[in-house]
Amino acid sequence: NAGVTQTPKFRVLKTGQSMTLLCAQDMNHEYMYWYRQDPGMGLRLIHYSVGEGTTAKGEVPDGYNVSRLKKQNFLLGLESAAPSQTSVYFCASTSGGQGARGYTFGSGTRLTVV
Amino acid sequence: SQELEQSPQSLIVQEGKNLTINCTSSKTLYGLYWYKQKYGEGLIFLMMLQKGGEEKSHEKITAKLDEKKQQSSLHITASQPSHAGIYLCGALLNFRMYSGGGADGLTFGKGTHLIIQP
Repeated sequence: NAGVTQTPKFRVLKTGQSMTLLCAQDMNHEYMYWYRQDPGMGLRLIHYSVGEGTTAKGEVPDGYNVSRLKKQNFLLGLESAAPSQTSVYFCASTSGGQGARGYTFGSGTRLTVV
Repeated sequence: SQELEQSPQSLIVQEGKNLTINCTSSKTLYGLYWYKQKYGEGLIFLMMLQKGGEEKSHEKITAKLDEKKQQSSLHITASQPSHAGIYLCGALLNFRMYSGGGADGLTFGKGTHLIIQP
């Protein structure tokens, strides 16, 4: 089925460890996003990309890095995980272009940093 | 984000009753999206509104965008246990993005937790 796939679905990290979250979409979408969801905070944008080879900072970018080497993949990296990064991470994509258009979300990655 | 206010934060409704969730912005809503999220799961797209006065319905859920394009409401008629979850509104608050010149992503409200009591 076409859509946005996130891996892994769950992960527990120790403080200071690093990891990469992968987001893959097969809809040929130009724009991709990483959000984090925390209780009482809603979804907040971490980083986004408007095309292959591009990235930009969102609302809460500190402590994260991203890369978009291939159009279909958007990677979110944590170089040195902190307990404050315990959250549920969602990836989303959209086609871009004029007008409001649909955003497809992945099923999320639940990350716990201990 | 405080740019988008959702109310109420939580709602407990008896099965069969109607309910309304609101999403309000001080800025123009160039696109307004409603999503539903079951606890521990991803976001399920419900509806998208972009024109002032627009109204869309799907099964027992109706969403409206006011004429000024600063407030949207989600109305559920004759609620069922399957309606329980978190409802999120997301918005395009930037005309540049709407016109295709940018891609800042959707701004979300904090969500409304809906519980349906049998």
